[in-house]
Amino acid sequence: AQTVTQSQPEMSVQEAETVTLSCTYDTSESDYYLFWYKQPPSRQMILVIRQEAYKQQNATENRFSVNFQKAAKSFSLKISDSQLGDAAMYFCAYIERGNQAGTALIFGKGTTLSVSS
Amino acid sequence: DSGVTQTPKHLITATGQRVTLRCSPRSGDLSVYWYQQSLDQGLQFLIQYYNGEERAKGNILERFSAQQFPDLHSELNLSSLELGDSALYFCASSVRQGWEQYFGPGTRLTVT
Repeated sequence: AQTVTQSQPEMSVQEAETVTLSCTYDTSESDYYLFWYKQPPSRQMILVIRQEAYKQQNATENRFSVNFQKAAKSFSLKISDSQLGDAAMYFCAYIERGNQAGTALIFGKGTTLSVSS
Repeated sequence: DSGVTQTPKHLITATGQRVTLRCSPRSGDLSVYWYQQSLDQGLQFLIQYYNGEERAKGNILERFSAQQFPDLHSELNLSSLELGDSALYFCASSVRQGWEQYFGPGTRLTVT
């Protein structure tokens, strides 16, 4: 069974600094997506960034970028120029593609990021 | 705004009761997922529908059931409620299976 592990329950960063959140996963599949979701205090789940497993190039969305190491099954999120609004719980998630029987997101336990001014 | 809507936002009910949570997916999305988020269990997948058909089941209790209607909205029915069912219930949708999912704002269920 696929698993997603986030080993950092809590992280902190100062405004304008850079922080990296770690995620590892385990799967025997070759075709899958990886995601980072943000859950602010409002509890809304917001998609931050996606990475397709077959793409070697790391995904980037504005201040957010990933370091995808497929062989190591590692998928970290880098937040540059951190802002107070980045404070939230961040979830790493995996989904298998191409499974006609149906599939769902598998989440890590999350990392709480606090941002100080 | 993800485009996924969920009603109600909050629900307070007593043990033993039955409730129905409603979800409307984003326009064009055929797949609907239900997730439960509780403090001790994290985010758990409950059930998935695709174009009206059940496609996958996760950790869904027998007291829970769901369906997706022809207009693609979905309902999650929770019966014989217990204190431990108190949680945030999310609906998510995607255009097809195995793709990125967009989440609704959630329904916070409190069982007293």
